[in-house]
Amino acid sequence: QKEVEQDPGPLSVPEGAIVSLNCTYSNSAFQYFMWYRQYSRKGPELLMYTYSSGNKEDGRFTAQVDKSSKYISLFIRDSQPSDSATYLCAMTPPSGGGNKLTFGTGTQLKVEL
Amino acid sequence: EAGVAQSPRYKIIEKRQSVAFWCNPISGHATLYWYQQILGQGPKLLIQFQNNGVVDDSQLPKDRFSAERLKGVDSTLKIQPAKLEDSAVYLCASSPGQKEKLFFGSGTQLSVL
Repeated sequence: QKEVEQDPGPLSVPEGAIVSLNCTYSNSAFQYFMWYRQYSRKGPELLMYTYSSGNKEDGRFTAQVDKSSKYISLFIRDSQPSDSATYLCAMTPPSGGGNKLTFGTGTQLKVEL
Repeated sequence: EAGVAQSPRYKIIEKRQSVAFWCNPISGHATLYWYQQILGQGPKLLIQFQNNGVVDDSQLPKDRFSAERLKGVDSTLKIQPAKLEDSAVYLCASSPGQKEKLFFGSGTQLSVL
């Protein structure tokens, strides 16, 4: 079993839709959770960073963490064609883990006009 | 602010040949990472440097891969000899410190034929 599982998609939605992207993980040592966006032929860029269980909102993006279920989600409201990219969840243990991120496989999202 | 620079952008070699990738991190960033991203997978950490010292190289296939970061700035990653399964995008990232946000370059896409 992989440490981090993520539905690879591809996911295709119409412009304006609400998008839900999800990851599950098996390692209870993971304490920091991130979502990265990766455009084609580019490196990943950090979108959201959370530590505690609950929701964190930033504009159209909401990151949700449920540590009891080992489940994290990223919601995108009012999706735009510019949101078309691959979304990677990533996580790391606390002290001593540095930035040794464990990534999911990524979900490819296409937002169509 | 200039981002993480990587070269070359693309490289095609035959198996058993050698290849080298170069990375110039963001100025002042002490921590540098090399990640390997195989098609359809998330990035996997190969090696992490703090200044010019190695912090973590536990996932680096040391029989064929080597990396150095002379003077704590630029870094090179070398593969010798290359195998078919080394075909991937090699991403360099840097951060101001070990627990801070990572900034990724656009990567070098390697094809081993």
